[in-house]
Amino acid sequence: KQEVTQIPAALSVPEGENLVLNCSFTDSAIYNLQWFRQDPGKGLTSLLLIQSSQREQTSGRLNASLDKSSGRSTLYIAASQPGDSATYLCAVVFSGTYKYIFGTGTRLKVLA
Amino acid sequence: DAGITQSPRHKVTETGTPVTLRCHQTENHRYMYWYRQDPGHGLRLIHYSYGVKDTDKGEVSDGYSVSRSKTEDFLLTLESATSSQTSVYFCAISEGPDRYEQFFGPGTRLTVL
Repeated sequence: KQEVTQIPAALSVPEGENLVLNCSFTDSAIYNLQWFRQDPGKGLTSLLLIQSSQREQTSGRLNASLDKSSGRSTLYIAASQPGDSATYLCAVVFSGTYKYIFGTGTRLKVLA
Repeated sequence: DAGITQSPRHKVTETGTPVTLRCHQTENHRYMYWYRQDPGHGLRLIHYSYGVKDTDKGEVSDGYSVSRSKTEDFLLTLESATSSQTSVYFCAISEGPDRYEQFFGPGTRLTVL
């Protein structure tokens, strides 16, 4: 079964720390992987999309990497701020499908 | 922000009544999706559409039907609502999941009493 896992489920860090969120998936044959942010009571906001042929993508303080052979992606957040507090989700489109499979997310709290 | 709206944004209904949720997009994207989000389960795909009148089931499609008669509109119907369908429902769009991003609507909070 094609699955996406995110560990840990929750994370608290002091402001200013660099941190890494993890996403793992069960099949290396993917089209792409997308990272989202969700604030409480809100919809999902797209952060970064990594194509199968890419190793990483960057946007501001965010950097996402992709290692298909090990079935892993990481989202690196530099110099974390309280405004980064949210739930971060990753979603994978496995090859041969047109569906996004989501992990259950990592709830991040950045303490001032 | 991608032009996606959902209506209604909140709804309370009773068990056994039919409910229709609407997703409207202004982006002319080919693919549209309906998800439900529940604590402990994350986002689960209900149905999706890959063109006008072209739809397919997701992992939790029982009790739900969909229709897409126009590119811009994707309707989700609960034929006879049950309490287990109390959830937050999200619509999403994509030009093509093999290479493009997915964008989400604001969600509809549905309560079935």
